[in-house]
Amino acid sequence: EDQVTQSPEALRLQEGESSSLNCSYTVSGLRGLFWYRQDPGKGPEFLFTLYSAGEEKEKERLKATLTKKESFLHITAPKPEDSATYLCAVSGSQGNLIFGKGTKLSVKP
Amino acid sequence: GAVVSQHPSWVICKSGTSVKIECRSLDFQATTMFWYRQFPKQSLMLMATSNEGSKATYEQGVEKDKFLINHASLTLSTLTVTSAHPEDSSFYICSAGLAGGPEETQYFGPGTRLLVL
Repeated sequence: EDQVTQSPEALRLQEGESSSLNCSYTVSGLRGLFWYRQDPGKGPEFLFTLYSAGEEKEKERLKATLTKKESFLHITAPKPEDSATYLCAVSGSQGNLIFGKGTKLSVKP
Repeated sequence: GAVVSQHPSWVICKSGTSVKIECRSLDFQATTMFWYRQFPKQSLMLMATSNEGSKATYEQGVEKDKFLINHASLTLSTLTVTSAHPEDSSFYICSAGLAGGPEETQYFGPGTRLLVL
């Protein structure tokens, strides 16, 4: 069964304190791994798609990496506006997105 | 680019009434649209997948007759919650796949919060 597990559930950082979010997955025939950001009461905002192990993508203070079993979202020198829930999802052989429960990130000034 | 809108953003209705939610891709054509439901502190759960001009494919456990989906054009899909009950109260989110783009990438609307009294 395709499955996505994100850790930690919640993460509190001080402004400027870099850290990483983890997404472990089990999927038959990975077609893509996705990272989204979701603010309270809003729909997910697309961040990255990764397709193969070793691939990396960056956007401002965020960097996503992918291995055969997990993905990391690295946040460098975060700011309060980076506070949100970060969702990881995979697309497998069925073609549907399977989401993890997310990591709620809080960045304090 | 790749903007998806939903209307209404929130709705309160009485038990037994029907509610229609619209999902539009504003600046692109969407071959496929998806409808999700999200309960508080829970992940997004796929309800159904719809392609323009054909019947929607529902996930296991989702009642077809209760959640009616119409995908009339490449930019519009609607979800109608028929005879809504309090347990249908949730956050409903649509997404769209970009025609000609990476087929797996979905762009999400802002969501519709439904409260059934």
